[in-house]
Amino acid sequence: KAGVTQTPRYLIKTRGQQVTLSCSPISGHRSVSWYQQTPGQGLQFLFEYFSETQRNKGNFPGRFSGRQFSNSRSEMNVSTLELGDSALYLCASSLDRTYEQYFGPGTRLTVT
Amino acid sequence: DAKTTQPPSMDCAEGRAANLPCNHSTISGNEYVYWYRQIHSQGPQYIIHGLKNNETNEMASLIITEDRKSSTLILPHATLRDTAVYYCIVAGLTGGGNKLTFGTGTQLKVEL
Repeated sequence: KAGVTQTPRYLIKTRGQQVTLSCSPISGHRSVSWYQQTPGQGLQFLFEYFSETQRNKGNFPGRFSGRQFSNSRSEMNVSTLELGDSALYLCASSLDRTYEQYFGPGTRLTVT
Repeated sequence: DAKTTQPPSMDCAEGRAANLPCNHSTISGNEYVYWYRQIHSQGPQYIIHGLKNNETNEMASLIITEDRKSSTLILPHATLRDTAVYYCIVAGLTGGGNKLTFGTGTQLKVEL
Protein backbone atom coordinates (compact mmCIF):
# COMPACT_ATOMS: atom_id res chain seq x y z
CA LYS A 1 0.00 0.00 0.00
CA ALA A 2 1.44 3.36 -0.97
CA GLY A 3 2.26 5.75 1.87
CA VAL A 4 1.33 9.37 2.34
CA THR A 5 2.76 11.58 -0.35
CA GLN A 6 3.36 15.30 -0.19
CA THR A 7 4.22 17.71 -2.97
CA PRO A 8 6.34 19.62 -3.44
CA ARG A 9 9.11 18.39 -1.15
CA TYR A 10 10.96 21.69 -1.12
CA LEU A 11 9.77 25.21 -1.78
CA ILE A 12 11.31 28.67 -1.59
CA LYS A 13 9.00 31.66 -1.47
CA THR A 14 9.28 35.37 -0.81
CA ARG A 15 7.59 37.28 1.99
CA GLY A 16 4.08 38.34 1.03
CA GLN A 17 3.54 35.52 -1.45
CA GLN A 18 1.15 32.66 -0.94
CA VAL A 19 1.78 28.94 -1.16
CA THR A 20 -0.28 25.77 -1.63
CA LEU A 21 0.92 22.39 -0.39
CA SER A 22 -0.62 19.09 -1.39
CA CYS A 23 -1.10 15.81 0.45
CA SER A 24 -2.34 12.46 -0.82
CA PRO A 25 -3.36 10.13 2.01
CA ILE A 26 -3.08 6.38 2.22
CA SER A 27 -5.87 4.72 0.26
CA GLY A 28 -8.92 4.28 2.46
CA HIS A 29 -7.90 6.92 5.00
CA ARG A 30 -10.44 9.69 5.26
CA SER A 31 -8.81 11.78 7.96
CA VAL A 32 -5.98 14.12 6.99
CA SER A 33 -4.13 16.27 9.50
CA TRP A 34 -1.53 18.96 8.97
CA TYR A 35 1.32 19.89 11.30
CA GLN A 36 4.00 22.54 11.30
CA GLN A 37 7.46 21.77 12.64
CA THR A 38 10.00 24.46 13.52
CA PRO A 39 13.14 24.29 15.68
CA GLY A 40 11.66 26.76 18.15
CA GLN A 41 8.09 25.51 18.50
CA GLY A 42 8.46 21.84 17.66
CA LEU A 43 5.58 19.93 16.09
CA GLN A 44 2.33 21.86 16.19
CA PHE A 45 -1.09 20.81 14.97
CA LEU A 46 -2.58 23.01 12.26
CA PHE A 47 -5.89 21.37 11.35
CA GLU A 48 -7.64 18.13 10.55
CA TYR A 49 -10.06 17.31 7.78
CA PHE A 50 -12.46 14.41 7.64
CA SER A 51 -14.91 13.81 4.81
CA GLU A 52 -14.18 17.25 3.33
CA THR A 53 -14.98 19.03 6.61
CA GLN A 54 -12.56 20.71 8.96
CA ARG A 55 -13.01 18.87 12.23
CA ASN A 56 -10.23 20.31 14.36
CA LYS A 57 -8.16 23.47 14.22
CA GLY A 58 -4.99 24.45 15.97
CA ASN A 59 -3.94 27.87 17.20
CA PHE A 60 -2.74 29.41 13.95
CA PRO A 61 -3.78 32.66 12.27
CA GLY A 62 -6.36 32.74 9.51
CA ARG A 63 -3.58 32.98 6.90
CA PHE A 64 -3.35 29.22 7.27
CA SER A 65 -6.21 27.38 5.61
CA GLY A 66 -6.91 24.02 4.11
CA ARG A 67 -9.38 21.91 2.31
CA GLN A 68 -10.09 18.29 1.51
CA PHE A 69 -11.46 16.87 -1.69
CA SER A 70 -13.92 14.03 -2.20
CA ASN A 71 -11.04 11.60 -2.85
CA SER A 72 -9.57 12.57 0.57
CA ARG A 73 -6.63 14.42 -0.94
CA SER A 74 -5.93 17.62 0.94
CA GLU A 75 -4.29 20.94 0.34
CA MET A 76 -3.16 23.62 2.73
CA ASN A 77 -2.64 27.23 1.82
CA VAL A 78 -0.63 29.93 3.52
CA SER A 79 -1.28 33.48 2.37
CA THR A 80 0.86 36.56 2.90
CA LEU A 81 3.90 34.53 3.87
CA GLU A 82 6.09 35.70 6.74
CA LEU A 83 9.67 34.73 7.54
CA GLY A 84 8.38 32.81 10.55
CA ASP A 85 6.38 30.50 8.29
CA SER A 86 9.61 28.80 7.27
CA ALA A 87 9.11 25.27 8.51
CA LEU A 88 8.61 21.63 7.68
CA TYR A 89 4.94 21.06 6.94
CA LEU A 90 3.80 17.53 7.60
CA CYS A 91 0.65 15.79 6.52
CA ALA A 92 -0.69 12.68 8.24
CA SER A 93 -3.54 10.39 7.35
CA SER A 94 -5.51 7.92 9.41
CA LEU A 95 -8.70 5.99 9.72
CA ASP A 96 -11.35 7.66 11.82
CA ARG A 97 -11.37 7.58 15.62
CA THR A 98 -7.72 6.66 16.08
CA TYR A 99 -4.50 8.48 16.80
CA GLU A 100 -2.56 5.96 14.75
CA GLN A 101 -1.50 8.41 12.08
CA TYR A 102 0.80 7.90 9.13
CA PHE A 103 2.95 10.83 8.17
CA GLY A 104 4.31 11.91 4.83
CA PRO A 105 7.88 13.07 4.30
CA GLY A 106 6.91 16.71 4.62
CA THR A 107 7.32 19.85 2.55
CA ARG A 108 10.24 22.05 3.54
CA LEU A 109 9.14 25.68 3.04
CA THR A 110 11.69 28.46 3.15
CA VAL A 111 10.47 32.05 3.15
CA THR A 112 13.03 34.70 2.22
CA ASP B 1 -5.32 15.58 26.89
CA ALA B 2 -2.95 14.72 29.74
CA LYS B 3 0.54 16.19 29.80
CA THR B 4 3.58 13.92 29.47
CA THR B 5 7.12 14.22 30.81
CA GLN B 6 10.09 12.55 29.11
CA PRO B 7 13.84 12.82 29.64
CA PRO B 8 15.37 15.05 26.96
CA SER B 9 18.01 12.55 25.92
CA MET B 10 19.22 8.99 26.40
CA ASP B 11 22.06 6.87 25.08
CA CYS B 12 22.00 3.17 24.32
CA ALA B 13 24.59 0.70 23.06
CA GLU B 14 23.74 -1.07 19.84
CA GLY B 15 22.26 -4.50 20.46
CA ARG B 16 21.09 -3.62 23.95
CA ALA B 17 17.52 -2.87 24.98
CA ALA B 18 16.52 0.77 24.97
CA ASN B 19 14.02 1.63 27.70
CA LEU B 20 12.37 5.00 27.23
CA PRO B 21 10.28 6.26 30.16
CA CYS B 22 7.29 8.56 30.11
CA ASN B 23 5.34 10.07 32.99
CA HIS B 24 1.67 10.89 32.51
CA SER B 25 0.35 11.23 36.04
CA THR B 26 -2.83 13.11 35.04
CA ILE B 27 -3.99 10.52 32.50
CA SER B 28 -7.70 9.84 32.61
CA GLY B 29 -9.47 6.54 32.24
CA ASN B 30 -10.33 6.85 28.56
CA GLU B 31 -6.95 8.15 27.39
CA TYR B 32 -4.49 6.02 25.47
CA VAL B 33 -0.71 6.19 25.48
CA TYR B 34 0.79 6.52 21.99
CA TRP B 35 4.43 6.43 20.97
CA TYR B 36 5.88 7.94 17.83
CA ARG B 37 9.42 8.50 16.70
CA GLN B 38 10.98 10.91 14.26
CA ILE B 39 14.22 10.16 12.52
CA HIS B 40 16.04 13.32 11.53
CA SER B 41 14.20 15.33 8.86
CA GLN B 42 11.61 12.62 8.24
CA GLY B 43 7.94 12.53 9.18
CA PRO B 44 7.05 10.98 12.54
CA GLN B 45 6.45 7.26 12.56
CA TYR B 46 3.79 5.51 14.62
CA ILE B 47 5.27 2.85 16.90
CA ILE B 48 2.69 1.47 19.30
CA HIS B 49 -0.15 2.41 21.60
CA GLY B 50 -1.97 1.01 24.62
CA LEU B 51 -4.69 1.69 27.14
CA LYS B 52 -3.80 -0.32 30.23
CA ASN B 53 -2.42 -3.68 29.15
CA ASN B 54 1.11 -4.20 27.97
CA GLU B 55 1.42 -4.27 24.21
CA THR B 56 3.99 -5.69 21.81
CA ASN B 57 4.42 -5.46 18.09
CA GLU B 58 7.24 -6.03 15.64
CA MET B 59 8.85 -2.73 16.52
CA ALA B 60 8.61 -2.43 20.28
CA SER B 61 6.93 -3.27 23.56
CA LEU B 62 4.90 -0.88 25.68
CA ILE B 63 4.73 -1.40 29.42
CA ILE B 64 2.08 0.65 31.26
CA THR B 65 2.12 0.69 35.06
CA GLU B 66 -0.94 -0.57 36.88
CA ASP B 67 -1.94 2.94 38.00
CA ARG B 68 -1.35 4.13 34.38
CA LYS B 69 0.66 7.10 35.58
CA SER B 70 3.75 6.11 33.66
CA SER B 71 4.87 3.89 30.81
CA THR B 72 8.04 2.56 29.21
CA LEU B 73 8.72 1.97 25.55
CA ILE B 74 11.17 -0.88 25.02
CA LEU B 75 13.18 -1.39 21.87
CA PRO B 76 14.53 -4.89 22.56
CA HIS B 77 17.66 -4.81 20.41
CA ALA B 78 18.45 -1.24 19.48
CA THR B 79 20.29 -0.55 16.22
CA LEU B 80 21.90 2.59 14.87
CA ARG B 81 18.77 3.14 12.76
CA ASP B 82 16.75 3.54 15.97
CA THR B 83 18.50 6.85 16.66
CA ALA B 84 15.59 9.29 16.68
CA VAL B 85 13.41 11.54 18.81
CA TYR B 86 10.77 9.48 20.59
CA TYR B 87 7.47 11.09 21.53
CA CYS B 88 5.07 9.83 24.17
CA ILE B 89 1.55 11.20 23.65
CA VAL B 90 -1.55 10.74 25.73
CA ALA B 91 -4.81 11.15 23.87
CA GLY B 92 -8.45 10.30 24.30
CA LEU B 93 -11.16 9.84 21.73
CA THR B 94 -13.63 12.25 23.29
CA GLY B 95 -14.73 15.16 21.16
CA GLY B 96 -13.85 13.53 17.90
CA GLY B 97 -10.92 14.36 15.72
CA ASN B 98 -7.46 13.00 15.51
CA LYS B 99 -5.33 15.84 16.87
CA LEU B 100 -1.94 14.76 18.20
CA THR B 101 -0.17 17.03 20.70
CA PHE B 102 3.57 16.48 20.54
CA GLY B 103 5.87 17.43 23.39
CA THR B 104 9.63 17.75 23.14
CA GLY B 105 10.30 14.00 23.26
CA THR B 106 13.44 12.03 24.09
CA GLN B 107 16.42 12.10 21.77
CA LEU B 108 17.69 8.52 21.73
CA LYS B 109 21.20 8.04 20.48
CA VAL B 110 22.25 4.47 19.72
CA GLU B 111 26.00 4.04 19.58
CA LEU B 112 28.40 1.26 18.67
